[in-house]
Amino acid sequence: QQPVQSPQAVILREGEDAVINCSSSKALYSVHWYRQKHGEAPVFLMILLKGGEQKGHDKISASFNEKKQQSSLYLTASQLSYSGTYFCGTLRTSGTYKYIFGTGTRLKVLA
Amino acid sequence: DVKVTQSSRYLVKRTGEKVFLECVQDMDHENMFWYRQDPGLGLRLIYFSYDVKMKEKGDIPEGYSVSREKKERFSLILESASTNQTSMYLCASSSEVFYGYTFGSGTRLTVV
Repeated sequence: QQPVQSPQAVILREGEDAVINCSSSKALYSVHWYRQKHGEAPVFLMILLKGGEQKGHDKISASFNEKKQQSSLYLTASQLSYSGTYFCGTLRTSGTYKYIFGTGTRLKVLA
Repeated sequence: DVKVTQSSRYLVKRTGEKVFLECVQDMDHENMFWYRQDPGLGLRLIYFSYDVKMKEKGDIPEGYSVSREKKERFSLILESASTNQTSMYLCASSSEVFYGYTFGSGTRLTVV
């Protein structure tokens, strides 16, 4: 039931790119992405609503596939400040709206 | 700057103690949530509340209770702490789930 994120963990060098995926077994109403730095509160990054949607700011962007069962987060030219745990929050429409977080992806950027 | 404040960053309690975790939000949000976060298990919903004095069980409510006497405050209670309740506890609030959550900084609870 819980959306599966891949990879579970990734280590990058500064300037490298990364992709984090969030996959659901059922169609989603929306996807939110969050980043949590060590010892801090998770911070909301962005929301995707429409199948086929892509959006982003700075060098972090995300997409939502046409079937609305998978979302991907793209980190371009990563910086040290990108390190943290990323997770998706998904809203499903199965009877009643239910919000479920993904399994999380730990990302570490090295100098 | 809007925020969700959790009263303690770190707590150490003994097995069997009654533990109170407090959460306050200043955004006038109707919905408040308590999650626990464990390595490999992600965020798991303990309880949530969509109005004052209203509460709903989440996915793992056993061993916990909650109280919401005022809109801005949502308390999580461990009736008799056990070692398997050692975890990071996160409080969150939202006006509508549609807009995402605002999280507190978390309380790392250790039960010895």
